[in-house]
Amino acid sequence: GAGVSQSPRYKVAKRGQDVALRCDPISGHVSLFWYQQALGQGPEFLTYFQNEAQLDKSGLPSDRFFAERPEGSVSTLKIQRTQQEDSAVYLCASSSSRGLNTEAFFGQGTRLTVV
Amino acid sequence: KQEVTQIPAALSVPEGENLVLNCSFTDSAIYNLQWFRQDPGKGLTSLLLIQSSQREQTSGRLNASLDKSSGRSTLYIAASQPGDSATYLCAVTSGSRLTFGEGTQLTVNP
Repeated sequence: GAGVSQSPRYKVAKRGQDVALRCDPISGHVSLFWYQQALGQGPEFLTYFQNEAQLDKSGLPSDRFFAERPEGSVSTLKIQRTQQEDSAVYLCASSSSRGLNTEAFFGQGTRLTVV
Repeated sequence: KQEVTQIPAALSVPEGENLVLNCSFTDSAIYNLQWFRQDPGKGLTSLLLIQSSQREQTSGRLNASLDKSSGRSTLYIAASQPGDSATYLCAVTSGSRLTFGEGTQLTVNP
């Protein structure tokens, strides 16, 4: 595709509900990243994939957060038993290189609101 | 742990003014530095990427400089326009992650 695509754009979840956020990176991009952005803050790193391998998940805030990229293309970020503090914009980015030696392109984000 | 600071947090200028946004980082061991623009409710748009071996990059009315040894970068915007109003984010690459500042919210008044 022309850019990084994320869906849904908006998600309202009741506390305790499980959610799944999808990211379609730019075709052929090796690296994929997930970030969490709280209101008024800069994005915070969650996890990094190189193809299908999750090489860094040190930014995931708890074991309720899980990410996968089984075929090295589309990625899903899953949050189990959502809490109010999970409310944020979740951004996905992709890069053509391994790591971040080249430009990172971001999607529009998914705004998650937990009520 | 890498920390990125952006000054000022907010800036309001009249149309046509030249302006400078500042970014500083604590660990100079970076691969590159990237400036992004974020419009309200939107994702990040990449503006400029400066590799660690470079001193500056230019794109149109934008010029970004990098002084890796002192841990500083500036984004210069020439002849500002109302359409430049947005939040500008600086991010440095270390390892497999970008570390972001909290951004400068720019308002250009007609």
